[in-house]
Amino acid sequence: AQSVTQLGSHVSVSEGALVLLRCNYSSSVPPYLFWYVQYPNQGLQLLLKYTTGATLVKGINGFEAEFKKSETSFHLTKPSAHMSDAAEYFCAVGNSGNTPLVFGKGTRLSVIA
Amino acid sequence: SAVISQKPSRDICQRGTSLTIQCQVDSQVTMMFWYRQQPGQSLTLIATANQGSEATYESGFVIDKFPISRPNLTFSTLTVSNMSPEDSSIYLCSALPPTGGNTEAFFGQGTRLTVV
Repeated sequence: AQSVTQLGSHVSVSEGALVLLRCNYSSSVPPYLFWYVQYPNQGLQLLLKYTTGATLVKGINGFEAEFKKSETSFHLTKPSAHMSDAAEYFCAVGNSGNTPLVFGKGTRLSVIA
Repeated sequence: SAVISQKPSRDICQRGTSLTIQCQVDSQVTMMFWYRQQPGQSLTLIATANQGSEATYESGFVIDKFPISRPNLTFSTLTVSNMSPEDSSIYLCSALPPTGGNTEAFFGQGTRLTVV
């Protein structure tokens, strides 16, 4: 079985500050890891994903995440927050094959001017 | 990448009624899934929509409440039956393309359902 824990249901940062959204996973098989963003009244958009290879993954909008197997983590970061980054962020885990993704509870990011 | 058109985008329904949500994919896909996102909660898998056979439901979800159809490789519907206010949620469909598996999962825009 797989599961995801996102620490912090709400994170607030100042514009220009570092964004750090935490995600820990549990998986009995090598995981595929994902970050999705959901803007108000919109669907899910893939930010980035890790499947195999390089553990530091770069995504859209300046976000990146690092897969750390020893820590079972896949935290999302962005060096400098922008007002347009305010949204709900979901971490998800999957594996090779056609199984559905398992999502964390989400973290709402607020950016303060 | 493939696109899912999900309808309706939102609805307000009376308790005791039913609502059918449609997802149309612009290309053939292998797997389709339905998720529920309750207020302040994560996406919870309702069922896997199997083409040509009955859907496979997750624990806590039953066919009588959430009947699903998947008549072909590009289309699926989810019905929320005999609704109550507790069914107020966002419902999303997801699909996997023929290649890439869940590394290429994509999602509909969601249906925001309010039951009054």
